[in-house]
Amino acid sequence: EAQVTQNPRYLITVTGKKLTVTCSQNMNHEYMSWYRQDPGLGLRQIYYSMNVEVTDKGDVPEGYKVSRKEKRNFPLILESPSPNQTSLYFCASSSTRTGHGQYFGPGTRLTVT
Amino acid sequence: AQSVTQLDSQVPVFEEAPVELRCNYSSSVSVYLFWYVQYPNQGLQLLLKYLSGSTLVKGINGFEAEFNKSQTSFHLRKPSVHISDTAEYFCAVSGGNQGGKLIFGQGTELSVKP
Repeated sequence: EAQVTQNPRYLITVTGKKLTVTCSQNMNHEYMSWYRQDPGLGLRQIYYSMNVEVTDKGDVPEGYKVSRKEKRNFPLILESPSPNQTSLYFCASSSTRTGHGQYFGPGTRLTVT
Repeated sequence: AQSVTQLDSQVPVFEEAPVELRCNYSSSVSVYLFWYVQYPNQGLQLLLKYLSGSTLVKGINGFEAEFNKSQTSFHLRKPSVHISDTAEYFCAVSGGNQGGKLIFGQGTELSVKP
């Protein structure tokens, strides 16, 4: 089954404790992306990657890091999480370089206290 | 820079009534337009997309949208809604000089009542 998986689905952590949210897709997609969803703001793109070893900033990259060492994986790293990073995070992938018709993961709800 | 505005944050409607969810975008170059649906506690699912060609685009679940370049709009419509259409709907734009960036509107919460 074609899918994008994220882990963990729920995470509660404390300020400053480094964490990683994993994202994996089984569709051999070149394009992958991370978004955060906040009430009243819709989804905002954090980072995206058009291929292995190629990443670019989205609209809200501050406080986040990503890497794309393999085609299927695109982890999101928060080196020093802060409460304003409490949000719902989605990973997505697409077969085309311009990100058309993205498949979304189920989401990761992160709470930073 | 590109931007997307969804004109209604909430749209209540009765079952079997028609519905229109409004979306306007701003861009000085050619764009690609999308509508996504998010059911409660789930990820986003692509409803339909406009890349080129016919301005009337048909999607899943009986939804359709019309691309209007002169009015920079991409409104989503359904002639008769069901209770199961209750969800949040997002309009999004990409393309032009934005490369791989996908920009979303703030979302419209569709609530279908019996």
